[in-house]
Amino acid sequence: AQSVSQHNHHVILSEAASLELGCNYSYGGTVNLFWYVQYPGQHLQLLLKYFSGDPLVKGIKGFEAEFIKSKFSFNLRKPSVQWSDTAEYFCAVNMRFGAGTRLTVKP
Amino acid sequence: DTEVTQTPKHLVMGMTNKKSLKCEQHMGHRAMYWYKQKAKKPPELMFVYSYEKLSINESVPSRFSPECPNSSLLNLHLHALQPEDSALYLCASSPGTGSPLHFGNGTRLTVT
Repeated sequence: AQSVSQHNHHVILSEAASLELGCNYSYGGTVNLFWYVQYPGQHLQLLLKYFSGDPLVKGIKGFEAEFIKSKFSFNLRKPSVQWSDTAEYFCAVNMRFGAGTRLTVKP
Repeated sequence: DTEVTQTPKHLVMGMTNKKSLKCEQHMGHRAMYWYKQKAKKPPELMFVYSYEKLSINESVPSRFSPECPNSSLLNLHLHALQPEDSALYLCASSPGTGSPLHFGNGTRLTVT
């Protein structure tokens, strides 16, 4: 059975701090990996995706993620967060979502 | 703004009512999805249509009935719902079932 685990439920950071959100998955078949973001009052949007190839993928707004096959992980990173990054972040494997991580960035 | 349009934005219905949620996309996507999202929870997959055929039903109760009349439209027919079915219902589409999802803004459903 597929499962997607996000380690952090709520992360609070100050502006300019670095961010890493964890995502691990369990799935026996082909995986397409995604990070989606839901800003307050807005629809879910794609941040980045991984299908194959270079395990380090870059997305919008300075986000990147690294696929580590041996660890079944796809962690999201950003070197320096901004107040506008305050949102809910969801890792997804194929069409199934993890529990989400709420990120609050203090100005 | 999203290219997946959902109507209505809000819906209040009684437990004996029959209503429908609608979703439309004109991006030429061949896969369409219904998700249910409760407050502070992730989207929970309900149904997947691929090339207008139902390909996944996540053991959803029969009081929810999906319909895909054509490649641009997706409906969710609701009948005899329970108060615990109150949630945000999200529609999404994608070029194919492995592709990134494009979400609508959702329909906020309240069952009284």
